[in-house]
Amino acid sequence: DAGITQSPRYKITETGRQVTLMCHQTWSHSYMFWYRQDLGHGLRLIYYSAAADITDKGEVPDGYVVSRSKTENFPLTLESATRSQTSVYFCASSAAGLNGYTFGSGTRLTVV
Amino acid sequence: GENVEQHPSTLSVQEGDSAVIKCTYSDSASNYFPWYKQELGKGPQLIIDIRSNVGEKKDQRIAVTLNKTAKHFSLHITETQPEDSAVYFCAAMGTSYDKVIFGPGTSLSVIP
Repeated sequence: DAGITQSPRYKITETGRQVTLMCHQTWSHSYMFWYRQDLGHGLRLIYYSAAADITDKGEVPDGYVVSRSKTENFPLTLESATRSQTSVYFCASSAAGLNGYTFGSGTRLTVV
Repeated sequence: GENVEQHPSTLSVQEGDSAVIKCTYSDSASNYFPWYKQELGKGPQLIIDIRSNVGEKKDQRIAVTLNKTAKHFSLHITETQPEDSAVYFCAAMGTSYDKVIFGPGTSLSVIP
């Protein structure tokens, strides 16, 4: 099916562990984004990518790493998870130019 | 930096009534204004958008208006239905993707 899929849907991890959240889109959209959504902070941009092998920091990049070796995939890695990274993470994609985003269903991450 | 304010934060209406959500932005370079609807447990979904060269856009029961001089834009939902209950986010986009700013959201409840 065409669309944007995130996995896993839910994840519980321990402090200090590395965890990777996956994002896959089938539209060949050039732009992809990672946001986190927290009560009181709304949607905050972590990283974004304009094309394969091109990534840029957003508002809250510390503690996160991204890569984009293929246009359709944009994984987000928490190198050493902290409790403050407990959040709902959304991946999104967009065609180039001023266009709306298509969001995935989100990953709810809990760091204990 | 760019700031997007959104009001009200919560809104309750009777089924069949109209609902209006207002957003203001600060960056005069913003020229694309999408609106997203987020249902519980799901990712935000683009429902309508407007570009700076247009003053109003309609799509069935929803409409968006833009006043560039005053730097505000509004979402209008007519003949509300229970399935319109959700959180609605406005956003302002300008010259670069790391400058996309989302409003804090409005929780709309439609009472049957």
